Amino acid sequence: EDKVVQSPLSLVVHEGDTVTLNCSYEVTNFRSLLWYKQEKKAPTFLFMLTSSGIEKKSGRLSSILDKKELFSILNITATQTGDSAVYLCAVKNNNDMRFGAGTRLTVKP
Amino acid sequence: ETGVTQTPRHLVMGMTNKKSLKCEQHLGHNAMYWYKQSAKKPLELMFVYNFKEQTENNSVPSRFSPECPNSSHLFLHLHTLQPEDSALYLCASSQDGSNTGELFFGEGSRLTVL
Repeated sequence: EDKVVQSPLSLVVHEGDTVTLNCSYEVTNFRSLLWYKQEKKAPTFLFMLTSSGIEKKSGRLSSILDKKELFSILNITATQTGDSAVYLCAVKNNNDMRFGAGTRLTVKP
Repeated sequence: ETGVTQTPRHLVMGMTNKKSLKCEQHLGHNAMYWYKQSAKKPLELMFVYNFKEQTENNSVPSRFSPECPNSSHLFLHLHTLQPEDSALYLCASSQDGSNTGELFFGEGSRLTVL
């Protein structure tokens, strides 16, 4: 059965810390892996990864995919309170998009 | 104005009520989706419409009935729901249903069934 597992489920850090969020998957006919940030309601798109080893970067956020080991990480450097959110990992195959349960990140001042 | 708008944002209904959730996308997309998000559980795909045709129904109970009159509008009709149906219902759209692009989500409709 296809599955997407995120870890940790929750994480509390202080401003300025660097965090790494993990997403592992077992999905048939993999096409892409996506990261979303959900602050209150609507998840907002962060990255889409399709190839191994190519880092995607946007400001303090970066992500990379390992298709051999079937995982992705999302890094956030110099965290700020505005980074507090649930980070969702989703994996697309030929049929649908399967989401992980999310990692709840809390950044304290 | 966001690309995907959902109404109502909050809905409280009894188990015998009939209500509908509405989703409208202004992005020119051809695929629309309903997802259910319950506390501490992954987003669950409910329905997919691609070019107004339903292409996926993930074993959703018949008390949830989707309707897609055109590529820009999607409804979820609710009838005789159960308390366990209380959740955040998210609508999303994508360029098409071929899974080549990202999903754009609405703000969600928070449903409480009493």
